[in-house]
Amino acid sequence: AQKVTQAQTEISVVEKEDVTLDCVYETRDTTYYLFWYKQPPSGELVFLIRRNSFDEQNEISGRYSWNFQKSTSSFNFTITASQVVDSAVYFCALSEGDNSGYSTLTFGKGTMLLVSP
Amino acid sequence: DTEVTQTPKHLVMGMTNKKSLKCEQHMGHRAMYWYKQKAKKPPELMFVYSYEKLSINESVPSRFSPECPNSSLLNLHLHALQPEDSALYLCASSQAPTTSSYNEQFFGPGTRLTVL
Repeated sequence: AQKVTQAQTEISVVEKEDVTLDCVYETRDTTYYLFWYKQPPSGELVFLIRRNSFDEQNEISGRYSWNFQKSTSSFNFTITASQVVDSAVYFCALSEGDNSGYSTLTFGKGTMLLVSP
Repeated sequence: DTEVTQTPKHLVMGMTNKKSLKCEQHMGHRAMYWYKQKAKKPPELMFVYSYEKLSINESVPSRFSPECPNSSLLNLHLHALQPEDSALYLCASSQAPTTSSYNEQFFGPGTRLTVL
């Protein structure tokens, strides 16, 4: 069975601080996919990144960076120089690879990030 | 166009009402999803349509009835709901995964449903 753990329920930082959101996953599959989504107060889930299990390269996109480590089953997300607009709930999610014609996501419980001015 | 639209944004209904939620995408995606999300919880999958056929029904009560009229549209018909059904209802779509590629789900803004 798949499982995603986001141990941090809520994080509060002051603007310009760096912050790391942790994500630990469990799966028996050798092929799987990891995702991060952002959910601002408006409600829409915004896709941020997908990482395949066979690609352990870390990724940077502007102030966002992701650290994927298969050895520790972790896929952590760092925001550098946080801004108030980063305030949101962030979900880490896992999906196993198949070609059934659709995907099923296992979500973590989410981490609420509050960035204050 | 990487957008999934949902209408209405907000809906208040009584327990005897019948209403429908609508979801639309024009990205050519062949998989569409309905999720229910309660406050401070992650989204819970309700239904999956793949190539306009119902592929997953996660033991959802029959007062929720999904419909996929075509590859771009997804409806959720509501009848005789209970107050505990009040939640944010999210629609998502994705390209059908294949053995050589995988595609993330794109979500709509959701419908905030209140059942009185």
